[in-house]
Amino acid sequence: NAGVTQTPKFQVLKTGQSMTLQCAQDMNHNSMYWYRQDPGMGLRLIYYSASEGTTDKGEVPNGYNVSRLNKREFSLRLESAAPSQTSVYFCASSRDRGAYSPLHFGNGTRLTVT
Amino acid sequence: SQELEQSPQSLIVQEGKNLTINCTSSKTLYGLYWYKQKYGEGLIFLMMLQKGGEEKSHEKITAKLDEKKQQSSLHITASQPSHAGIYLCGADIGSGNTPLVFGKGTRLSVIA
Repeated sequence: NAGVTQTPKFQVLKTGQSMTLQCAQDMNHNSMYWYRQDPGMGLRLIYYSASEGTTDKGEVPNGYNVSRLNKREFSLRLESAAPSQTSVYFCASSRDRGAYSPLHFGNGTRLTVT
Repeated sequence: SQELEQSPQSLIVQEGKNLTINCTSSKTLYGLYWYKQKYGEGLIFLMMLQKGGEEKSHEKITAKLDEKKQQSSLHITASQPSHAGIYLCGADIGSGNTPLVFGKGTRLSVIA
């Protein structure tokens, strides 16, 4: 069972470069999320998609854009990377957005911006 | 998120000892989740608690939700090296229909 698959696993960018992080889930989940994890800050929500065709900002959306391509895929784009975006990015999915629907996480993308 | 406070931040225990990790919310909890993360990997779902007073167990890990105190505790009995990792609590503290926020995590080390 693949679950939630993220690509790439590692990436190094120079300041100002752009890139897209890919995420796909095979659990037929309606909701998908992008979090970033930083030392001392925990997990913070960047954007989420409650259902196909909708996206909403989370706690730290500045500098990012997202696309819910279809029910399976939810991508995160950095248009002009900054050193402050160095982080580990996690994609997650859940059956619904509701409180009683556990999130299933991918293994993360470790991004370094120099 | 500062809305979910975990304690302690880190913990070193001897193999075989018991331990407890706490997660306290400043707002009403609409579901509380516990996850475990090993270094370089994603978060693994452990259990979900929905109702005040609820208690669930998974192998040697037990979690309880005290809804009145807006707090949950995670208790590990007879710790083993396989229990080492980062434990995170997550919760819906909005309306019961909002994405989860997470605590900063508790790093657990188990030594022989």
